[in-house]
Amino acid sequence: GAGVSQSPSNKVTEKGKDVELRCDPISGHTALYWYRQSLGQGLEFLIYFQGNSAPDKSGLPSDRFSAERTGGSVSTLTIQRTQQEDSAVYLCASSLDSGGAAGYTFGSGTRLTVV
Amino acid sequence: KQEVTQIPAALSVPEGENLVLNCSFTDSAIYNLQWFRQDPGKGLTSLLLIQSSQREQTSGRLNASLDKSSGRSTLYIAASQPGDSATYLCAAPSGGYNKLIFGAGTRLAVHP
Repeated sequence: GAGVSQSPSNKVTEKGKDVELRCDPISGHTALYWYRQSLGQGLEFLIYFQGNSAPDKSGLPSDRFSAERTGGSVSTLTIQRTQQEDSAVYLCASSLDSGGAAGYTFGSGTRLTVV
Repeated sequence: KQEVTQIPAALSVPEGENLVLNCSFTDSAIYNLQWFRQDPGKGLTSLLLIQSSQREQTSGRLNASLDKSSGRSTLYIAASQPGDSATYLCAAPSGGYNKLIFGAGTRLAVHP
């Protein structure tokens, strides 16, 4: 597609439920990144994919968080047993290669609210 | 470890002023640096990408400079307009540049 697409744009869930967030990167972009932006906070790196592999998972805050990418394209970020502190905007970005020489393009994000 | 700092944290100016937003980074071994704009409740929009071989990049009323040796970048906004009101984020790659490290941003308000 023309841009990075994320769905849903908004998600309200009850504490303890699992959620799945989807990212559809720009076609042909091999690198994909997930970031989290909590209220009033800066952007926090979560995970990086090159193709279908994730060489850098260092930002995942706990083992309740996992992500996968299939076919070198769509990625899903899953949060299990959601907690209120998981409430944030989850942003996905893609770049043409892992070097990011052509820059990074971000999606509009998924606003997650855990009640 | 890359750390990015932006000054000022917030700025409120009358329409028409020329502005300078500052960004500093600790690891100068970067291949590029990117400036983004974020409107409230929205994602990030890329404004300018400066490669390490470049000193500056221009897009319309925006000009970004990069000085790797001093670990600094500046975003210059000419003749500011109310539509420029947003948060401006500077981002530098970490070692291996497979992820961006963001500054906390400068929240800009341009009033008529």
